Amino acid sequence: GAGVSQSPSNKVTEKGKDVELRCDPISGHTALYWYRQSLGQGLEFLIYFQGNSAPDKSGLPSDRFSAERTGGSVSTLTIQRTQQEDSAVYLCASSLVGGRATGELFFGEGSRLTVL
Amino acid sequence: TQLLEQSPQFLSIQEGENLTVYCNSSSVFSSLQWYRQEPGEGPVLLVTVVTGGEVKKLKRLTFQFGDARKDSSLHITAAQPGDTGLYLCAGSGFQKLVFGTGTRLLVSP
Repeated sequence: GAGVSQSPSNKVTEKGKDVELRCDPISGHTALYWYRQSLGQGLEFLIYFQGNSAPDKSGLPSDRFSAERTGGSVSTLTIQRTQQEDSAVYLCASSLVGGRATGELFFGEGSRLTVL
Repeated sequence: TQLLEQSPQFLSIQEGENLTVYCNSSSVFSSLQWYRQEPGEGPVLLVTVVTGGEVKKLKRLTFQFGDARKDSSLHITAAQPGDTGLYLCAGSGFQKLVFGTGTRLLVSP
């Protein structure tokens, strides 16, 4: 299909290990978001990419978290030295238009991270 | 900080009942979106409201944008078990979309 694709869908890791989560947005979408969702809770904003502009990293909880978006398409969220409190579902979304006129966000199914 | 507060946080009702979910902010938004998320899936857009005072209907769901574009409500008539899920409002008008705190709805048969 042509939706937002995230991988892996599930990741179990040991405390202290690094993990990479991948997001493949819908082709042509200029805006890409990463959110974190703890069990049954709302969406916690992490980072936002808009075209070639510098990303809005204001939601990253610590310097262990980083993200990049290569060629305006695929994005990778990296968590270094994972902690148990990092356990959550990480959702990626893309939108055709971002910024002040953000349109509909299309979400992937998320990557569920469990840190033992 | 642009915050969107939703109430109630959790609602458990019987099939056939009516309910209203509120989304409030002190900030003005150019538009407001409502999403529904089912377990194991990402949120899916239900509706976007753009004009202050606007009312949109989607079958048994009625969405209203406040006159001042600071708040919105979602009313469900004769709720059904299929309405169960997490309802999220999201405001646009700043550099990024701002999501509300979420309302978890459980409709029992």
